Amino acid sequence: SAVISQKPSRDICQRGTSLTIQCQVDSQVTMMFWYRQQPGQSLTLIATANQGSEATYESGFVIDKFPISRPNLTFSTLTVSNMSPEDSSIYLCSVALGTSGETQYFGPGTRLLVL
Amino acid sequence: DQQVKQNSPSLSVQEGRISILNCDYTNSMFDYFLWYKKYPAEGPTFLISISSIKDKNEDGRFTVFLNKSAKHLSLHIVPSQPGDSAVYFCAASFGTASKLTFGTGTRLQVTL
Repeated sequence: SAVISQKPSRDICQRGTSLTIQCQVDSQVTMMFWYRQQPGQSLTLIATANQGSEATYESGFVIDKFPISRPNLTFSTLTVSNMSPEDSSIYLCSVALGTSGETQYFGPGTRLLVL
Repeated sequence: DQQVKQNSPSLSVQEGRISILNCDYTNSMFDYFLWYKKYPAEGPTFLISISSIKDKNEDGRFTVFLNKSAKHLSLHIVPSQPGDSAVYFCAASFGTASKLTFGTGTRLQVTL
């Protein structure tokens, strides 16, 4: 597996502001992903963070709302822009490891509350 | 459209007994399945996985069974321990290094 850290671990933000979440891995990985878990819900993929190119977003998620950076193979950021209370969620990054990248390992998550 | 479903939101099992968590999926193109355990305020922890070419995979106290014809998988925990109390998610993917589609989770409570 890999050691994955996220910053911040939690935050309370005002609506209309933006928050950038950082994800750091202790080894180089090709595939990194960003997920969201809304209260009482399952985990949903936001986007795949591609190193050296634009992120690939899932249906319902757009770059203007969730810009992602992936400057190298150990680091990525997710920004939640122009926040509203509906953005209150746990945001998680994951990395794909294993022989063919078949297993994803998750960071501890960032718990966001938007007032 | 919920492609991966866990129909039991909660399960209570006595310590030492077997816990069986179930998961159903609708898309026959899924070819890799995983189980994760999640404690509150932590990220999901990978437990065990199975490829669609197998019907069983075992790792210590954890065994995953896959029934492709029924589009059903289950996680068996034997014996159950109080530390197993958590929310368990099943997830499915198409091929390798691809997005995971998660179920809604089952909260397992192991009682003394």
